[in-house]
Amino acid sequence: NAGVMQNPRHLVRRRGQEARLRCSPMKGHSHVYWYRQLPEEGLKFMVYLQKENIIDESGMPKERFSAEFPKEGPSILRIQQVVRGDSAAYFCASSPGRALKANVLTFGAGSRLTVL
Amino acid sequence: DQQVKQNSPSLSVQEGRISILNCDYTNSMFDYFLWYKKYPAEGPTFLISISSIKDKNEDGRFTVFLNKSAKHLSLHIVPSQPGDSAVYFCAARPLGTDKLIFGTGTRLQVFP
Repeated sequence: NAGVMQNPRHLVRRRGQEARLRCSPMKGHSHVYWYRQLPEEGLKFMVYLQKENIIDESGMPKERFSAEFPKEGPSILRIQQVVRGDSAAYFCASSPGRALKANVLTFGAGSRLTVL
Repeated sequence: DQQVKQNSPSLSVQEGRISILNCDYTNSMFDYFLWYKKYPAEGPTFLISISSIKDKNEDGRFTVFLNKSAKHLSLHIVPSQPGDSAVYFCAARPLGTDKLIFGTGTRLQVFP
């Protein structure tokens, strides 16, 4: 029973390129969350999605960032025209439903983006 | 605007002794508080949580205390073991939401 799978684990991009990060939730989980950890900081909430729906995107930067969780396939966090400040570890978490009990989030190992 | 603060970036404790990790928060509208443990190159792993209506929750060697009047919570690990060496994040969930607000973490090192 695989956990939350994220790929790539490491991604290097030059300024102006696009970055795509993928997240496959745990089997049976239909809710996906994306968090970003900048160097020396804690994880910061970005977006919460269910299949084909964005539930809460209050933590997403207004420009260049988008997320989707299609009916089939993994959730994707897309960053267009990356800048050096986007360099961070991006963590995905999943849950089987609304996290009414706040301990049901399972995190993936993260994708580390480096922008040159 | 850091709503959840962990003011100690690191803590060093001898094996067998108690580790106390602290966390302060500024928002009274949190309904759950959690502690996560993170090893290098891995994602955070849930450790223990506490509802805002309680003041203590215990699970084996781990106990979380919540002092609402002081807006402070702490994680006690006793006895500490070398395998406990990791970064510990305090997190809080705003009432009515599904997101977590994380602190900046405390790196715990347990030495023999």
